[in-house]
Amino acid sequence: AAGVIQSPRHLIKEKRETATLKCYPIPRHDTVYWYQQGPGQDPQFLISFYEKMQSDKGSIPDRFSAQQFSDYHSELNMSSLELGDSALYFCASSLGPASTDTQYFGPGTRLTVL
Amino acid sequence: GESVGLHLPTLSVQEGDNSIINCAYSNSASDYFIWYKQESGKGPQFIIDIRSNMDKRQGQRVTVLLNKTVKHLSLQIAATQPGDSAVYFCAEKKAGTALIFGKGTTLSVSS
Repeated sequence: AAGVIQSPRHLIKEKRETATLKCYPIPRHDTVYWYQQGPGQDPQFLISFYEKMQSDKGSIPDRFSAQQFSDYHSELNMSSLELGDSALYFCASSLGPASTDTQYFGPGTRLTVL
Repeated sequence: GESVGLHLPTLSVQEGDNSIINCAYSNSASDYFIWYKQESGKGPQFIIDIRSNMDKRQGQRVTVLLNKTVKHLSLQIAATQPGDSAVYFCAEKKAGTALIFGKGTTLSVSS
């Protein structure tokens, strides 16, 4: 079965650079979530989209922005990168935004900021 | 083996034992609860879920128990195998919001 696809899988950036992470949801899934997971930490919700509109916002820094496109893929744009942004970034997708719509996670993008 | 009561970060069991991982959730308004398994360097993998109007749900070798009175969730894994070694997260959700993850428990299975 098709899963969530994330690219790139690994990314190394310098401080103050920008990065763009991409997420391709499972076919027919219209809801996308972004999470950040620091080393040894639980995933923290950043932002979500339903039908190309932002549906919820978590602890996403103002330096980050995201959007969902007409084909339902999503991109997380990160600017003025800081050392503390080094983390695993996961995208999850679900069939809809309801509580009981299971979120399926992608393999993640490991971002390292030097 | 069991991570008794409130969350313990690690649980070590022997192959073939039953494992119980506990989790305390925070929001009494949450109406949906999920257990995820995360292997090193991979994304969380859905294991089993339960709605707030249930107190028990069984899957293949796994059972989730929900006690809303004390806001407690547990995952039972029967006949634990080395392939079950991973970090296990509970997560809670209510309508219109994203998942809130609990602290993970690292399960180590020795053969």
